[in-house]
Amino acid sequence: QQPVQSPQAVILREGEDAVINCSSSKALYSVHWYRQKHGEAPIFLMILLKGGEQKGHDKISASFNEKKQQSSLYLTASQLSYSGTYFCGTPDNYGQNFVFGPGTRLSVLP
Amino acid sequence: NAGVMQNPRHLVRRRGQEARLRCSPMKGHSHVYWYRQLPEEGLKFMVYLQKENIIDESGMPKERFSAEFPKEGPSILRIQQVVRGDSAAYFCASSPPGQGNQPQHFGDGTRLSIL
Repeated sequence: QQPVQSPQAVILREGEDAVINCSSSKALYSVHWYRQKHGEAPIFLMILLKGGEQKGHDKISASFNEKKQQSSLYLTASQLSYSGTYFCGTPDNYGQNFVFGPGTRLSVLP
Repeated sequence: NAGVMQNPRHLVRRRGQEARLRCSPMKGHSHVYWYRQLPEEGLKFMVYLQKENIIDESGMPKERFSAEFPKEGPSILRIQQVVRGDSAAYFCASSPPGQGNQPQHFGDGTRLSIL
């Protein structure tokens, strides 16, 4: 079952903050976050395994709520290099396959 | 320190021909995923393999498509008798074993164009 992402797209000015949400109607086994720039391969950002977990990487962080049905990616003081499409993903069927959300397109303007 | 290597980067085929896409995982990675991506769309899971074993192929069409990951050599995604609708970018990703607990490292993809 594909996770749902919101918003579909967001436009920011450099230095502004953004939040991208990923949710599912059932408990998520784990949540992965990736960023893909146009014409390039997706790049791994972080993975959250436990309900209540929070992780940070430079000015990008993420949380995974206690019931494990929703994760949020936080981008603070956004930079031009943050532009791209952000995907959340989760293993499905007891880790036998992997499902990505539809993506959130982030554009950071100078 | 080679990452995931996919070749060719671009592949052009005529309708009815066969397409073979190759993926060499990162050193130490024994698991490979294949995804398909249409322009401006998301990544669609196709198949998940480990060495000499298909773990899950539920996302792969039952006809014309096959995948393998032999004991030696790269993983191969094979599309027989290609049709226009097969045009897409095909990405592979590798990971250590861990069934969803490990990050996936992606190759640069193969852009398949069907004439």
